[in-house]
Amino acid sequence: QVQLQESGPGLVKPSQTLSLTCTVSGDSISSSSYYWSWIRQHPGKGLEWIGYIYNSGTTYYNPSLKSRITISVDTSKNQFSLKVSSVTAADTAVYYCARDQGFWTDYWGQGTLVTVSS
Amino acid sequence: QSVLTQPPSASGTPGQRVTISCSGSSSNIGSNYVNWYQQLPGTAPKLLIYSNNQRPSGVPDRFSGSKSGTSASLAISGLQSEDEADYYCGAWDDSLNGYVVFGGGTKLTVL
Repeated sequence: QVQLQESGPGLVKPSQTLSLTCTVSGDSISSSSYYWSWIRQHPGKGLEWIGYIYNSGTTYYNPSLKSRITISVDTSKNQFSLKVSSVTAADTAVYYCARDQGFWTDYWGQGTLVTVSS
Repeated sequence: QSVLTQPPSASGTPGQRVTISCSGSSSNIGSNYVNWYQQLPGTAPKLLIYSNNQRPSGVPDRFSGSKSGTSASLAISGLQSEDEADYYCGAWDDSLNGYVVFGGGTKLTVL
């Protein structure tokens, strides 16, 4: 059974960089043919796709966030990561990591709340 | 403002059939698969329907999906109290080098 677990600070100051890591178990990022995604959900709102990465390092990003987003993968640790730079209160959200088939997302982490506040 | 349009709410009584619509455009629903996700209160979303009308293992056949042109629908038959949740449609959008888009979500209430 594939499991994903987000980790990282729950509080980030405005203008700083938000950094999260997703640890994958039950599947190998380096050998599988999946994309590894980040999706967020603002409090009480809908889902917003942030982007995903393939094990080759190829990335696809949401055009509205592209200038501030970096998704990377560490195959040695079976982890992938998200960095969002220059955060504001508008980046406060629950962040989910997930496994994507390329056209649909089949496994999700439990999500982690990140609050941007001084 | 979500790229895909869903009604904000829907409701039904136990045993009823309800449908939730999802409207898009030629660059997303019109040319790509539609997927549906169920989010129970306080939990992460769960894949409910993929490739327009396919159910992952473990999803009851009470849930079905369909697509026509630039619109899609999720149907839930034999409504149960545990179906009360938020439902989201999603699809790949071919514009701007491609990205995933979601609907704003529909809150389903079982009366």
